[in-house]
Amino acid sequence: DTGVSQNPRHKITKRGQNVTFRCDPISEHNRLYWYRQTLGQGPEFLTYFQNEAQLEKSRLLSDRFSAERPKGSFSTLEIQRTEQGDSAMYLCASSLGAVQLGYGYTFGSGTRLTVV
Amino acid sequence: GENVEQHPSTLSVQEGDSAVIKCTYSDSASNYFPWYKQELGKRPQLIIDIRSNVGEKKDQRIAVTLNKTAKHFSLHITETQPEDSAVYFCAASSPGWSGGSNYKLTFGKGTLLTVNP
Repeated sequence: DTGVSQNPRHKITKRGQNVTFRCDPISEHNRLYWYRQTLGQGPEFLTYFQNEAQLEKSRLLSDRFSAERPKGSFSTLEIQRTEQGDSAMYLCASSLGAVQLGYGYTFGSGTRLTVV
Repeated sequence: GENVEQHPSTLSVQEGDSAVIKCTYSDSASNYFPWYKQELGKRPQLIIDIRSNVGEKKDQRIAVTLNKTAKHFSLHITETQPEDSAVYFCAASSPGWSGGSNYKLTFGKGTLLTVNP
């Protein structure tokens, strides 16, 4: 286990379809985050898990978005009834502890979603 | 919530020159400030970070300075090389809804650094 793994790397879907992305964090990292990045912007926070508990979901996310982290290991992010505005890079990150203690995020390579 | 402003949006320097990128933040509770480098099509990678109890940190050619009073922090790259060309993001930590420790990072919009040989 050398890093954060995300699958698929690319996803093209038709508007209205559902999509699911997977993130496998670094195995000893109990904290997991999902971010979204659009062209020319920095990553924007979507949601945060500590172990299996989802502790925060951004107001950016509509009810069409849901994330899970069963058993505190891998996580999935599902988007229902996709819209063109959902097109973005979806980044997953994990950390060993709280950032205020100096535990930085390790990002995965992301899943690039294109809604046509 | 936290707001992070980053300047400049683009920066072009000659190889060997220094580059400075500046960020300001709004939340006085922020206490951790990382910098990430993102090459085209790749993941953001942590290059240096600083905690609020430290004013400056160096790692070879890169350094970060923090002014808590003014709520700004800067990335300094000396003796720039073409392989330093990338987008650089600053970020600031902030507490989330669940309270407790800071876990959320708010990112700036990025600076595209181009080092010309």
